[in-house]
Amino acid sequence: AQSVTQLGSHVSVSEGALVLLRCNYSSSVPPYLFWYVQYPNQGLQLLLKYTSAATLVKGINGFEAEFKKSETSFHLTKPSAHMSDAAEYFCAVSARGGSNYKLTFGKGTLLTVNP
Amino acid sequence: DAGVIQSPRHEVTEMGQEVTLRCKPISGHNSLFWYRQTMMRGLELLIYFNNNVPIDDSGMPEDRFSAKMPNASFSTLKIQPSEPRDSAVYFCASNKGTEAFFGQGTRLTVV
Repeated sequence: AQSVTQLGSHVSVSEGALVLLRCNYSSSVPPYLFWYVQYPNQGLQLLLKYTSAATLVKGINGFEAEFKKSETSFHLTKPSAHMSDAAEYFCAVSARGGSNYKLTFGKGTLLTVNP
Repeated sequence: DAGVIQSPRHEVTEMGQEVTLRCKPISGHNSLFWYRQTMMRGLELLIYFNNNVPIDDSGMPEDRFSAKMPNASFSTLKIQPSEPRDSAVYFCASNKGTEAFFGQGTRLTVV
């Protein structure tokens, strides 16, 4: 069984400040890991994914995440927050192998960016 | 490509009525997923299909829920009879490899 825990349901930062959204996973097999972003009244959009040996993954809009097996973590970061980053962010895990990449999501973290 | 298309975007219905949600996946994607999003439970997988065949429906809450995928370009999620606790946003997603592409969702309100 797989699960994802996102620490902090709400994170508030100032524009220009570092963004750090935390995600820890539990999986009996090496997983695939994802971060999705959801803007109000919209569907989810993929930010980045970890599916290979490269542990530092770069995504869209300046976000990146580092897979740390020893810490079972996949935290999302961005050096400088922009007002347009305000949204809800979801970490997700799926199992490797096969062709059915069903996702198990965390509860989400709402990011607020203050001017 | 227009992306994953869901209809309707909003649905308000009375308790006891039948509700049908529709999804058109991206052409060439062979996996389709139905998720439900609520404040209390977050995003939950309801059912998924691979090559139009239902693979895992263990997330379907109860027999009132059913899903079909008659062909590669269309899927439906039906609730009969609907109840107020079914109120949620329902998302359809189709996969290209490991990446899931989500539709805009259908916001269902059962009064």
